Parts: sequence; structure tokens; C-alpha cells
Amino acid sequence: QKEVEQNSGPLSVPEGAIASLNCTYSDRGSQSFFWYRQYSGKSPELIMSIYSNGDKEDGRFTAQLNKASQYVSLLIRDSQPSDSATYLCAVNIEGGTSYGKLTFGQGTILTVHP
Amino acid sequence: SQTIHQWPATLVQPVGSPLSLECTVEGTSNPNLYWYRQAAGRGLQLLFYSVGIGQISSEVPQNLSASRPQDRQFILSSKKLLLSDSGFYLCAWSVPWTGSYGYTFGSGTRLTVV
Repeated sequence: QKEVEQNSGPLSVPEGAIASLNCTYSDRGSQSFFWYRQYSGKSPELIMSIYSNGDKEDGRFTAQLNKASQYVSLLIRDSQPSDSATYLCAVNIEGGTSYGKLTFGQGTILTVHP
Repeated sequence: SQTIHQWPATLVQPVGSPLSLECTVEGTSNPNLYWYRQAAGRGLQLLFYSVGIGQISSEVPQNLSASRPQDRQFILSSKKLLLSDSGFYLCAWSVPWTGSYGYTFGSGTRLTVV
């Protein structure tokens, strides 16, 4: 079983719509959760972090965390063509020998069409 | 502020040739450092991580090696490249001993082995 799972997509949404990206994780000890955006040919860029159950909003982005169900999601409102990228979910398990290592999902390709 | 430098940006090397990729971090002390590889259309594969000078942990057995000769310098090497070593190599740093703040990635090196 993969530790962090994402639907690889591609997810295609029209401009102005809400894009919903989902991620599930297997380790209940996970404490920190991140969303990275990676444009084609570029390195990943951290766009959201979330640590507590519930929603966290930052501009057009909302991260949602449900530890009981072991999923984290990212909503992008008013999607723009510039949001077209691969979105990577990453999870951290604090303590033990993890030394702060993040476990990444395979990424979801998002395409926003005009 | 912290910055991470990675070079070269692109590299084309023949099979059997050596490899040396360098990564340096500025503006922080004793960072956790990571080397990842991303094959075309694939997710991030953790290759090595380091929590201090001279301390290297390998995640995947292969013909690559890593070294950390200075606190903020991380080097990825190979004595003889294979075709399968082609990919996008990413260096990243994080705050020491915790993953609560995520990673910051360098700009990456695109390696093509021919």
C-alpha cells in the first residue's frame, strides 16, 4: 500500500471553476501536510501547509484536513490557466527516525482550459 | 532569508562518465538536506538525506553516492553513469529535526545520459 496516494489525473476544469485535488495517507501518526505546485520542467513550490483538522484558506486556495479519515484536499477557486500544473501532496511523520522527511504522492496533473 | 542554489541546470553526459552535482544553502545553519530524482512523468524518489556534516542516509541502492563536506553543501556523485540515471535531480533543504515547515527545493538539474 502506498503511503501517500493521489489520483494522477489529468484533472481538467474550465476557467473560473473550482478544482478539487485529493490525497489520502496511510500513517495515522502524520502531523504535517503540504501541497506543492510543480510547473512542467520546474521544481516543486510549496503553496499550502496544514496541521489541524478543518480548513485553511490562502487567497484562492483552501486546504482541508480530516485526520480521522486520513485525507487532505486542496481546492482552487476561480481556476486560471496559470494554475495548470502538477500538484504534489506531501506528509510528514514527526518523531522517531523520520528526521523531518516528507513522503510525497505521485502528483495530480491539473489542466485549466479557457 | 534562506536561499538554495543548485547547479548545473542541465547536463548531457555519456554512459560511463562521472557525475557531480552540487547544492548549497545560504541563510540557515545545520539544515536537513535531501537529494531527489524525478524520472519523466513520475513522482519524486528520495535518494539521499543528511542531517549533518558527514552524515548521509541512502534510501535507494544504486550507483549514486552523496557527500556533505560542509554544513550547507550537499554533493551528488556517480563514478559511472547509466542510461537509467537520466532524470530531473532536485536538492531540497528543511529546518533541522522537524518536517513541520516542509521543504524548499532548488531549481533542479536535468540530466540526460546518452
